[in-house]
Amino acid sequence: AQSVTQPDIHITVSEGASLELRCNYSYGATPYLFWYVQSPGQGLQLLLKYFSGDTLVQGIKGFEAEFKRSQSSFNLRKPSVHWSDAAEYFCAVGDNTNAGKSTFGDGTTLTVKP
Amino acid sequence: EAGVAQSPRYKIIEKRQSVAFWCNPISGHATLYWYQQILGQGPKLLIQFQNNGVVDDSQLPKDRFSAERLKGVDSTLKIQPAKLEDSAVYLCASSLDPTATYEQYFGPGTRLTVT
Repeated sequence: AQSVTQPDIHITVSEGASLELRCNYSYGATPYLFWYVQSPGQGLQLLLKYFSGDTLVQGIKGFEAEFKRSQSSFNLRKPSVHWSDAAEYFCAVGDNTNAGKSTFGDGTTLTVKP
Repeated sequence: EAGVAQSPRYKIIEKRQSVAFWCNPISGHATLYWYQQILGQGPKLLIQFQNNGVVDDSQLPKDRFSAERLKGVDSTLKIQPAKLEDSAVYLCASSLDPTATYEQYFGPGTRLTVT
């Protein structure tokens, strides 16, 4: 069965600093991978997704993620964090026979210090 | 374009009572999902519809949960009877394509508290 681990429950960074959120997955074949952001009281919004091809994926709001098959990782990065990036971030792996059936990690809460 | 609509936004009930949640997906989206998000956890897929047919309901506790999507548009998720452990946010999402190579769009959720 597929699974996702987000090792960091909570991360605090200063505004303007770089950010990396970790995601490790377990899946028997080539995975579909997603990063979502959830602001308080809001639904989830897709930041980016990887299905195949270039392992460095660009997303919205200046985020990018890199798929590393050898490490079973799909870490999310942003070079300079803005206060509005404070939110909860979820990594998910999709079943490649039905990517709609995604398994989510338990999330990482990002706090941004002024 | 209107987003995914859900109602109510909040619901408080006592255990053993029943409750129903409603979802209206984005117009034209054939696929609809219901997720359960328990505090401190990521969303867990409960059921996935393609038009008005069920694609996957393997994680739906069928002894107490039911869902329907009449006419392939709106959907209702019901819990009867509710247990304390059902306290969670129930998220509805929709997408154009059942393989979700298209983006899933999420509604704001319904926060259920069972006392």
